This record gives sequence, structure tokens and C-alpha cells, in this order.
Amino acid sequence: EAQVTQNPRYLITVTGKKLTVTCSQNMNHEYMSWYRQDPGLGLRQIYYSMNVEVTDKGDVPEGYKVSRKEKRNFPLILESPSPNQTSLYFCASSFQGVATFLNEQFFGPGTRLTVL
Amino acid sequence: KQEVTQIPAALSVPEGENLVLNCSFTDSAIYNLQWFRQDPGKGLTSLLLIQSSQREQTSGRLNASLDKSSGRSTLYIAASQPGDSATYLCAVLLPVKTSYDKVIFGPGTSLSVIP
Repeated sequence: EAQVTQNPRYLITVTGKKLTVTCSQNMNHEYMSWYRQDPGLGLRQIYYSMNVEVTDKGDVPEGYKVSRKEKRNFPLILESPSPNQTSLYFCASSFQGVATFLNEQFFGPGTRLTVL
Repeated sequence: KQEVTQIPAALSVPEGENLVLNCSFTDSAIYNLQWFRQDPGKGLTSLLLIQSSQREQTSGRLNASLDKSSGRSTLYIAASQPGDSATYLCAVLLPVKTSYDKVIFGPGTSLSVIP
């Protein structure tokens, strides 16, 4: 089944404790992206990647890191989480990226992160 | 900077009604516009993707239109059903070489279809 998977789905942690949220897709998509969703602020893009070893900042990259060593995986890293990073996080992927009619984005199920 | 708005913020209709959701964007230099639905506590499901060169897309009871020059897209839902109750989001995809955000989402329209 074609899908985007995220792990963990739920995470409660404490300020300053490094964590990684994994994202994996099995559709051979080049483009992958991370978003956070907050009440009243909607979905905002954190980082995106056009292909392996190519990443760029989205709207709200502060406090996050990403890497794209393999095409299928795009982990989100919080080196020193803070309470303002409590949010619902989504990973998404699409074929190639912008500029093709196939670049429909597919979303993972979400990771609900709470930082105490 | 590109901004995306959606009207109305919330909508409640009786089952069977036809309805229109609106999405507006401030900069017409977009590549595509995508409509999603999101169920409470769940991820996003893609509904329709409209290329910038297209004017509309249809899938079942859904029809989405795009008018780039006026910065508007509409999602038309025919014969609404209680299962259509969800939040509907539009997102614009920006050209690769822009210096600002790649993908911008609207705040969403919360739809409730009453049986």
C-alpha cells in the first residue's frame, strides 16, 4: 500500500531532551516536507527536500533540523525541544515537487508532540 | 508574501445541500492549488489538485475551480452527506525559485453536514 508513515504517533518529552520523528514513504517520491499544525495558525511548512541531500527552509524552521540521506526517509530532529514546539506534526511527500501535474502531496497520519 | 484565506471559517448545512467553499490567495504566481480534507485528529487527505494552467478539476461529487488572475479557487460539493463533515483546507504550491514559503495553507473551513 502506498503510504507515508511517521513514528512515533504520540510523544511526550521534556525541555531540552533531543528527539527525532521519523518519516518514510514507499512511493519513490523525490519531494518530502514537514509541517506543523497549531490552533489558530493552521499548517505551516518547517522544512522541505527536493531530493536526496537537498533540503531547504520553509516558513518556521527555527529549532528544527532535517536530513535526507535516503530518498524514502526524511527525519525531523529537535535538538533541544522547547514547550513552544508542542504541536501536531505532519510529514508529506510528492512526486518530483512543484511544476509537474503529478505533484499531489500525500500526508502521513501525524505525530502529536508535547514538550513539558 | 503570499497569504491564503478561506471563507467561511465554519459552515453547517442540512444533508443534500449543494455548497461552495472559497479559497483566496494574494499572489497569482502559483504553480498549483490543492484541496484537502482533514478529519478530527487525523491526517490530510488530498481531494483535488489543479495545475496553474487548468481552470477546474472534478472528482465524483467534488468540483474545484481556479481563477489565477483573481486569486480565487472554489470547491463545490454536490448533494452533501454527513460523511462530508470535516475541515477543508486549500494549499498553494509556489515556484521553486521563490525566496519565500514553498507551500502555504489556508486556515480551513470546518464543514458540518446535518442528517
